[in-house]
Amino acid sequence: AQTVTQSQPEMSVQEAETVTLSCTYDTSESDYYLFWYKQPPSRQMILVIRQEAYKQQNATENRFSVNFQKAAKSFSLKISDSQLGDAAMYFCAYRSARGNDKVIFGPGTSLSVIP
Amino acid sequence: KAGVTQTPRYLIKTRGQQVTLSCSPISGHRSVSWYQQTPGQGLQFLFEYFSETQRNKGNFPGRFSGRQFSNSRSEMNVSTLELGDSALYLCASSWAGGLVEQFFGPGTRLTVL
Repeated sequence: AQTVTQSQPEMSVQEAETVTLSCTYDTSESDYYLFWYKQPPSRQMILVIRQEAYKQQNATENRFSVNFQKAAKSFSLKISDSQLGDAAMYFCAYRSARGNDKVIFGPGTSLSVIP
Repeated sequence: KAGVTQTPRYLIKTRGQQVTLSCSPISGHRSVSWYQQTPGQGLQFLFEYFSETQRNKGNFPGRFSGRQFSNSRSEMNVSTLELGDSALYLCASSWAGGLVEQFFGPGTRLTVL
């Protein structure tokens, strides 16, 4: 069974600085999708960024980028120029590309942004 | 376009009762997934419905059940409530699977006394 691990329960970053959130996963499959979701306090979960495993190029969305290391099964999220609105729980998630399988979420990392 | 809506937003029940939660997906979305979120266990997948059929199921007891209607709206039912069922129940919709983004609702906060 696939698992997703986020080894940092809590992180903090100074406003305008850069922070990297870690995520590792375990799978025997070669084709899958990876996601980072953000859940602000008392607000709805939203997608931050996604990556297809067959693509070697790392995904980027404005200030958010990933470092996808397929061999190491690592999928870290880098937030540049951190803003107060980035404070949230961040969840790493995995989905098999085989037949619409379920999404598996990691335990989350709580990110605080210090003004 | 309206987002995913969940009703009710808050619910207080007592042990042994049953509860039904509702989720209305974004118009056009055919897939609805349910998750239980607790501080200790994080986000745990309950089940997914696609075109009125349960497509995936998590590791929850049979007390947890769901269904999806022809208009893609979904309901989740929990029977014989236990204290440990207290959680935020999230619903997410998407038009399909794979790389497609899931859109989450605000959740229903269930408290079991």
